[in-house]
Amino acid sequence: SQTIHQWPATLVQPVGSPLSLECTVEGTSNPNLYWYRQAAGRGLQLLFYSVGIGQISSEVPQNLSASRPQDRQFILSSKKLLLSDSGFYLCAWSGAGRMAFTDTQYFGPGTRLTVL
Amino acid sequence: AQKITQTQPGMFVQEKEAVTLDCTYDTSDPSYGLFWYKQPSSGEMIFLIYQGSYDQQNATEGRYSLNFQKARKSANLVISASQLGDSAMYFCAHSGNTPLVFGKGTRLSVIA
Repeated sequence: SQTIHQWPATLVQPVGSPLSLECTVEGTSNPNLYWYRQAAGRGLQLLFYSVGIGQISSEVPQNLSASRPQDRQFILSSKKLLLSDSGFYLCAWSGAGRMAFTDTQYFGPGTRLTVL
Repeated sequence: AQKITQTQPGMFVQEKEAVTLDCTYDTSDPSYGLFWYKQPSSGEMIFLIYQGSYDQQNATEGRYSLNFQKARKSANLVISASQLGDSAMYFCAHSGNTPLVFGKGTRLSVIA
């Protein structure tokens, strides 16, 4: 069966510091991968998605970036965090390719980021 | 662009009763999917149910059913026989030519 991992679970970082959040998927090949952010008490905002290694699509211009160095690894990064980057970051996977956007997405446990 | 509207910020239901959570959507995609997710206080997003735009029958998964009215662009979630563990945030989402777009959610509280 497929599983999705995220780490760290929680993170407290000062403004201006770098960020690296990691997401890995097991039990499937060539999945679509997604990063979402959820502000406190709000819905989910899609940040990035990837349909393959090295292929990253950005939905919201900001100081965050994403990379997919391996088939089942998705990394969210920032060079300098802002206060507004605080939130709950969720990674998800679904079936492969753009035709699979209507496939069910399965989410990881999330990372709660607080920027002080 | 796709848009999902959940008009009920909060709902209360008595234990063992049924409850309907509303969701309307706006899309120009010819083929699309509608999803409901549950988010308990722990934060995890739990997939509940899926409805494809060309599915002839309403989707059902255990105590969850989706009341899909394509002409009205609505995809309401019905939870039967509510349990205390159903207390959570519920999100409706749409996908088609682009990945999931989520509504703002409805907080459901089940009362004993």
